[in-house]
Amino acid sequence: GALVYQYPRRTICKSGTSMRMECQAVGFQATSVAWYRQSPQKTFELIALSTVNSAIKYEQNFTQEKFPISHPNLSFSSMTVLNAYLEDRGLYLCGALTGENTLYFGAGTRLSVL
Amino acid sequence: QQQVRQSSQSLTVWEGETAILNCSYENSAFDYFPWYQQFPGEGPALLIAIRSVSDKKEDGRFTIFFNKREKNLSLHIKDSQPGDSATYFCAASAGTNAYKVIFGKGTHLHVLP
Repeated sequence: GALVYQYPRRTICKSGTSMRMECQAVGFQATSVAWYRQSPQKTFELIALSTVNSAIKYEQNFTQEKFPISHPNLSFSSMTVLNAYLEDRGLYLCGALTGENTLYFGAGTRLSVL
Repeated sequence: QQQVRQSSQSLTVWEGETAILNCSYENSAFDYFPWYQQFPGEGPALLIAIRSVSDKKEDGRFTIFFNKREKNLSLHIKDSQPGDSATYFCAASAGTNAYKVIFGKGTHLHVLP
């Protein structure tokens, strides 16, 4: 079945510093990867859609300057949270889209900011 | 306005009962409806999904009933087990924007032994 691995599972960073999270699809080709954030209140926000060989589409309120994404091949994507502050806390989810347009999520990277 | 609404924030059933989680949506363009199960500290795992051309989808103890005319759907969990205790998110997406999944706020299911 489709598996999506994310690492690290948890990370703590000081306010104003940056952290990078990674996502790997196993068992299928993730042509597109959607990055989401789940807030501490459990609501989901779409950050961006990354498609191999295409420009990354960022949603309103999210920018490349703040959340740069790399998607070099069909199995790997990474996203960095630059200058993290308290409002960036949450569970960052990588969702890999299969050929049947089904979105499979990884376990997430939980970001805490001190 | 909430595009995908889950009628209950929380639901408690006894072990062995059928848990019914309800969901409704606004956008007629939605044609794919996944349900995700999330345990504390984990990401949401795809549990079962239905496309709008069907009115029922069954997978083991989990069944989705879908009513396109009424724009609602429900997830039935037969023979509920304590291990089913989790938060269940009803979600929806439309056509080629399958990556833009709109989530409900979730229903926290407690299955009591």
